Amino acid sequence: AQTVTQSQPEMSVQEAETVTLSCTYDTSESNYYLFWYKQPPSRQMILVIRQEAYKQQNATENRFSVNFQKAAKSFSLKISDSQLGDTAMYFCAFMRDSNYQLIWGAGTKLIIKP
Amino acid sequence: NAGVTQTPKFRVLKTGQSMTLLCAQDMNHEYMYWYRQDPGMGLRLIHYSVGEGTTAKGEVPDGYNVSRLKKQNFLLGLESAAPSQTSVYFCASSYSRRETQYFGPGTRLLVL
Repeated sequence: AQTVTQSQPEMSVQEAETVTLSCTYDTSESNYYLFWYKQPPSRQMILVIRQEAYKQQNATENRFSVNFQKAAKSFSLKISDSQLGDTAMYFCAFMRDSNYQLIWGAGTKLIIKP
Repeated sequence: NAGVTQTPKFRVLKTGQSMTLLCAQDMNHEYMYWYRQDPGMGLRLIHYSVGEGTTAKGEVPDGYNVSRLKKQNFLLGLESAAPSQTSVYFCASSYSRRETQYFGPGTRLLVL
């Protein structure tokens, strides 16, 4: 069975610093999709970034980038120049190419301090 | 363009009562999903639909039923609510199986 592990329950950094959130997953599939979602206090689940396993290039979205290590089954999220609005729960999620179901990690609570 | 909306935002039920949660999307997405989120956990899939008139079970379907009579709507029903169903419920939709799922704002349900 596929599993997603986020080993950092909570992190805090100063505004403008760079922070990296960890995610590892377990699968025997060769093609799949990986996601980072952000859930601020409003509870809205917002897509941050998406990575397709067959693409070697790491995805980036403005201040957000990933370090995708397929052999190590690692998918970390780097947030550069962190802002107060980045304070949220961050969830890593996995989806097989052959399935509809997103498998979620337990989340990392990120606090950006002024 | 409202995206994905959910009704109601919050509800309190007594054990044994029934209710229906409504999800609506205006993005013409084929796929729709119902998840629940419990403290300290990621989301878990309850039921999903791959098109109008279709439904299928997810990871935790027991105690829930769904219907997709119209493409834009996906209903989640609780026939006899139990305290274990206290949770936050999220609806999501996507254009296809491989496309990104977009989420509604969630419904907080408390069963006493």
